[in-house]
Amino acid sequence: KQEVTQIPAALSVPEGENLVLNCSFTDSAIYNLQWFRQDPGKGLTSLLLIQSSQREQTSGRLNASLDKSSGRSTLYIAASQPGDSATYLCAVMTDNYGQNFVFGPGTRLSVLP
Amino acid sequence: NAGVTQTPKFQVLKTGQSMTLQCAQDMNHNSMYWYRQDPGMGLRLIYYSASEGTTDKGEVPNGYNVSRLNKREFSLRLESAAPSQTSVYFCASSEVAEYEQYFGPGTRLTVT
Repeated sequence: KQEVTQIPAALSVPEGENLVLNCSFTDSAIYNLQWFRQDPGKGLTSLLLIQSSQREQTSGRLNASLDKSSGRSTLYIAASQPGDSATYLCAVMTDNYGQNFVFGPGTRLSVLP
Repeated sequence: NAGVTQTPKFQVLKTGQSMTLQCAQDMNHNSMYWYRQDPGMGLRLIYYSASEGTTDKGEVPNGYNVSRLNKREFSLRLESAAPSQTSVYFCASSEVAEYEQYFGPGTRLTVT
């Protein structure tokens, strides 16, 4: 059974720092991996989707990488801002019918002004 | 373009009552999903619909039923609510199953 973990569970950094969030999964036979952010009391917002054939995706200050063989993905946030404070979740899809879309527990990020 | 909408936003039920959570998307997506989010358990898939006319069980389907009413709408029904179903419920959609998912704002359900 696919399991997804995220380290650290919580992270607090001063504004302007570059930071890395980690996501690990146990079964490397994934179809894709998606990063989301969730603000308190809100739904999830999609940040980046990496297909299994890709190594990385970039959007603005965000860069996500994928190493399927080692079961790892990282989300790099450059020049962090207080508005980046949220919980970041990764999720893997292990087949193309959405049945095994498994989420990690999330990393709660606080960016201090 | 509202994206994914869910009603109601909040609901309190007594044990044994029934209710239907509504979800609609205006992005012409084929696939739709229902998740529940619980502290310490993360998000778990309840049911999904890969395309109009099809529905399949996810990880935690017991106690729930779904209807894909048309391409836009996907409802989740609790026939006899139990306190264990207290949770936040999210609906999501994607163009096709392997594309990125877009989430609604959620429904906070409390069963007493």
